[in-house]
Amino acid sequence: DTGVSQDPRHKITKRGQNVTFRCDPISEHNRLYWYRQTLGQGPEFLTYFQNEAQLEKSRLLSDRFSAERPKGSFSTLEIQRTEQGDSAMYLCASTMGEVYEQFFGPGTRLTVL
Amino acid sequence: AQKVTQAQTEISVVEKEDVTLDCVYETRDTTYYLFWYKQPPSGELVFLIRRNSFDEQNEISGRYSWNFQKSTSSFNFTITASQVVDSAVYFCALSETNFGNEKLTFGTGTRLTIIP
Repeated sequence: DTGVSQDPRHKITKRGQNVTFRCDPISEHNRLYWYRQTLGQGPEFLTYFQNEAQLEKSRLLSDRFSAERPKGSFSTLEIQRTEQGDSAMYLCASTMGEVYEQFFGPGTRLTVL
Repeated sequence: AQKVTQAQTEISVVEKEDVTLDCVYETRDTTYYLFWYKQPPSGELVFLIRRNSFDEQNEISGRYSWNFQKSTSSFNFTITASQVVDSAVYFCALSETNFGNEKLTFGTGTRLTIIP
């Protein structure tokens, strides 16, 4: 296992459609984070899991967004009824525990038409 | 609330020049961590360094060095003898630890272009 992987790398969808992204963390990393990055900005925190438990959600995460991490392994991020404002790069990161560096995946670039 | 400011939006220097990227942070915590990440054109964030709030020693790693000053709430990053491969967007980030989630708060980044 060489790093965090994300699938798909690119997604183009029409407004109103649902999309789902997947993140596979580095093996044995118990913490997993989702961030969103828009053009010209730094990544913004969305949500975080420790094992299978979702422990915090940002106010940026509206009720159209849902994330899961069944069995504490891979995670999915679903966006329902996509809007043009959801267009962004969605980044996943994992880490082993407290205050270790977070390792980032390549991201999923979402374009909502 | 925590905040990271990277006032330099874009910097261009000629290859082999030294360049310093500024980072100023705000936090009410006494225990926190600071990070620098590099985002090359490929897009994947690459970890460069982590420092905790109790360690103000400057650090050097090859051509990279970091200057942490709590008195001015700054964590600046210097690249010596810059190379074209250093061209990227660089992000400074802050993690507070009191809530136990260690989420990162990023600055807006500095786009560094090294001119051959």
